Amino acid sequence: GENVEQHPSTLSVQEGDSAVIKCTYSDSASNYFPWYKQELGKRPQLIIDIRSNVGEKKDQRIAVTLNKTAKHFSLHITETQPEDSAVYFCAARAGSYQLTFGKGTKLSVIP
Amino acid sequence: GAGVSQSPSNKVTEKGKDVELRCDPISGHTALYWYRQRLGQGLEFLIYFQGNSAPDKSGLPSDRFSAERTGESVSTLTIQRTQQEDSAVYLCASSLQGFTGNTIYFGEGSWLTVV
Repeated sequence: GENVEQHPSTLSVQEGDSAVIKCTYSDSASNYFPWYKQELGKRPQLIIDIRSNVGEKKDQRIAVTLNKTAKHFSLHITETQPEDSAVYFCAARAGSYQLTFGKGTKLSVIP
Repeated sequence: GAGVSQSPSNKVTEKGKDVELRCDPISGHTALYWYRQRLGQGLEFLIYFQGNSAPDKSGLPSDRFSAERTGESVSTLTIQRTQQEDSAVYLCASSLQGFTGNTIYFGEGSWLTVV
């Protein structure tokens, strides 16, 4: 089955700096890669996703890049703000339905 | 409702008791998923429903765990003879269909504590 590795497990940045979280996946058939943000005690919420026919996608301060050859994808957050502090999960989906998640990255933005 | 609803939001139970966790998916969503999240950990897949059928039960950790879905709507996850290691947040999610690219929406979760 699919295996998703996520790094780093924790990340601290100064407010205004950029944050980058990286994930690798094992199943070359995976073709959908969402990122979820989970605030403490809250549900995971989709913040951005990318499909395998696209190399990069941006939404305001958030961008995701995908390298299918190397089987890795990354989340980039620019101009970080304290409200970006949360746990971020990457995921990969091969075939019809099952999302396999990484173990999460706890991002702390220091004011 | 507007989102995925789960109940109870919190449950404390004694070791050895059975518990039932309920999920109401977003109306019209045919795909439903259960995930488990232990404290500070990632999301562990448990089971997937397409309609009322569960084509993939591979994530259920033991035969103490079972789930059903009726009316292509409500799902119940049952844990029998609960153990302390069952303590976790149980997250339900749904999507329009179980196909690649359909966004999966999560509920707030049911926090289970086994004492």
